[in-house]
Amino acid sequence: DIQMTQSPSSLSASVGDRVTITCRASQGFRNKDNLGWYQQKPGKAPKRLISPASSLQSGVPSRFSGSGSGTEFTLTISSLQPEDFATYYCLQHESYPWTFGQGTKVEIK
Amino acid sequence: QVQLVESGGGVVQPGRSLRLSCAASGFTFSDYGMHWVRQAPGKGLEWVAVIWYDGSHINYGDSVKGRFTISRDNSKNTLYLQMSSLRTEDTAVYYCARDRPNYNVYFDYWGLGTLVTVSS
Repeated sequence: DIQMTQSPSSLSASVGDRVTITCRASQGFRNKDNLGWYQQKPGKAPKRLISPASSLQSGVPSRFSGSGSGTEFTLTISSLQPEDFATYYCLQHESYPWTFGQGTKVEIK
Repeated sequence: QVQLVESGGGVVQPGRSLRLSCAASGFTFSDYGMHWVRQAPGKGLEWVAVIWYDGSHINYGDSVKGRFTISRDNSKNTLYLQMSSLRTEDTAVYYCARDRPNYNVYFDYWGLGTLVTVSS
């Protein structure tokens, strides 16, 4: 099984900050597109941000971007906005069983 | 508009069974693979199971293998999760979500979830 190690588990940041979240896979991906990023706010279902690895979901602001390949993938928020405070998860669909990262909670500093 | 609506959650004793349903509308259900994902209270997301668009392939997460059964009825646009031998650690909100790998579509729509509480 592929394990996804996401870091940090939480971070405090200010509006306007640049934020980077990383997911490391326990084995390399054959296809770098087999990773997605999801945002979840309290009490809500997750929302797809980026999937495949660098393709922004329609309607998602361009301040979100994804990159990476092999075993390391990153989600970057170029300028954090108030509505971005949430928990973020990566998901690998390289092989079954699919696995999520542990999540990164982005809080207001 | 695409809608996924889960139902069937509730309180159940350890060792008992429960069946969840996910009613789909607004898209051609038989074109999409369907998944169950769960989230224990205060915890992260856990992938549970998948069934391909035509039911030809099924896979499970390690923690539910042998206890849970995913199925679908394309004539009713409905996905199911039969949960048996339930444990307290199965307590979670259960979401259904869709995919269509040939079109690079992964979990673009989710349901609102249904809460399963396993407790004596």
